[in-house]
Amino acid sequence: DQQVKQNSPSLSVQEGRISILNCDYTNSMFDYFLWYKKYPAEGPTFLISISSIKDKNEDGRFTVFLNKSAKHLSLHIVPSQPGDSAVYFCAAFTGGFKTIFGAGTRLFVKA
Amino acid sequence: DVKVTQSSRYLVKRTGEKVFLECVQDMDHENMFWYRQDPGLGLRLIYFSYDVKMKEKGDIPEGYSVSREKKERFSLILESASTNQTSMYLCASSGQGATEEKLFFGSGTQLSVL
Repeated sequence: DQQVKQNSPSLSVQEGRISILNCDYTNSMFDYFLWYKKYPAEGPTFLISISSIKDKNEDGRFTVFLNKSAKHLSLHIVPSQPGDSAVYFCAAFTGGFKTIFGAGTRLFVKA
Repeated sequence: DVKVTQSSRYLVKRTGEKVFLECVQDMDHENMFWYRQDPGLGLRLIYFSYDVKMKEKGDIPEGYSVSREKKERFSLILESASTNQTSMYLCASSGQGATEEKLFFGSGTQLSVL
C-alpha cells in the first residue's frame, strides 16, 4: 500500500502557464517532504522541500504548499517553461534514513 | 560539483548470473542507498548503509545483497539474477546521521535480465 501517492501519471501545460502537481500521503506522522525532478537518462535531483511546521515554501518559480489536515501537498511552477518538462517525484522523509517516494508525475510543458 | 557515479549506464544479463552494480560518491557522505525505479511504483529502497561495513535492509531486500568496504563505494549484488529484477537501479548518498533528508543520486543503471 503506497504511503505517498501521486495520482496523476502525467500533466500537460502550456508554456507560461501554471503547473500544479499534487501529492497525498497517508501517515500523519510524516513531517518533512521533498520534491525531486528527474530528466531522462539522469538521476533525480532535489528541487524543493517543506517541513510540517510550515504551510508554504517558495524558491523562485517553485512553491510547495502543505495542507496537513488534508495530508496533501502540491508543487506549483509559475511560469512553466519547456525546460521544466521532466518527471517529478514527491517524497516523505520519515527519519531513520528512510525516504518514501510517490510514483511520479510526468510534466510536459508545450512551447 | 558533487557527484555520485554509477559504473554502468546499461547492463544486459542472463537469468541466474551474479550481477554487481557499483556506485562511488565523492562527497564524503556517510549514508549510501540503493533504490530501484519501476513504472507506477516510484523509487523503492533496497538497502542502505550508514557507515563502512554497516548495512540495513530497505523495503525490498529479497534477492539482493550489498557491500560497503570503503566509505565512498557501495555495491549492489544480485546473487542470481531473475527477470523480475529488470529495472532502473539508482544509487544515492546523503550526509551524516539519520536526519539527513536530501539525497544525491547517480544517473542510474538500466538492468535487463533475459
